Amino acid sequence: EAGVAQSPRYKIIEKRQSVAFWCNPISGHATLYWYQQILGQGPKLLIQFQNNGVVDDSQLPKDRFSAERLKGVDSTLKIQPAKLEDSAVYLCASSLEHGREETQYFGPGTRLLVL
Amino acid sequence: AQSVAQPEDQVNVAEGNPLTVKCTYSVSGNPYLFWYVQYPNRGLQFLLKYITGDNLVKGSYGFEAEFNKSQTSFHLKKPSALVSDSALYFCAHNQGGKLIFGQGTELSVKP
Repeated sequence: EAGVAQSPRYKIIEKRQSVAFWCNPISGHATLYWYQQILGQGPKLLIQFQNNGVVDDSQLPKDRFSAERLKGVDSTLKIQPAKLEDSAVYLCASSLEHGREETQYFGPGTRLLVL
Repeated sequence: AQSVAQPEDQVNVAEGNPLTVKCTYSVSGNPYLFWYVQYPNRGLQFLLKYITGDNLVKGSYGFEAEFNKSQTSFHLKKPSALVSDSALYFCAHNQGGKLIFGQGTELSVKP
């Protein structure tokens, strides 16, 4: 079974530029998550989708971050404009369904450096 | 606020010795606890979870964890450590679909 796919793996941009990350979840997984992991910290949830609807985006900085999952499969996370503090690893995860018992499976992440 | 704590930033163990990575939690209601491992430049890999039932949970790669309600702990254990177990370990609580992670513990296993 293929895992969660993410691209690109690495990205370097200058502040105020825009960037987009792509995620393809495990086939058949209804729920998709985006996490931000700053160096030396545990990941923090940015947004979670159930199919193509948003379940929780309370931690997403909506003035600069946006995410979509239009067809309920793959997803794109965008930052515009980027700030220095956005330098982090962006992890995508998916689970079969939404719920506290569900195991979330993570992709390899996209490492973003903002200069 | 619901939280998970990993009191040790780093754990050093000799190969072949037992290892323990500690995790404590502070949640309202029932805890839904997970352990993940992260190797350099890779995503998180699921090891095991506690939802309900037996307090001793067995997971991948020979790892197990013991849920202790009175001590609000969920420590990760392995009877005999391998050098290849060296990695960053995260404990997490699932709050309504959102994983709340501890700060991570760096495990170093020396030959």
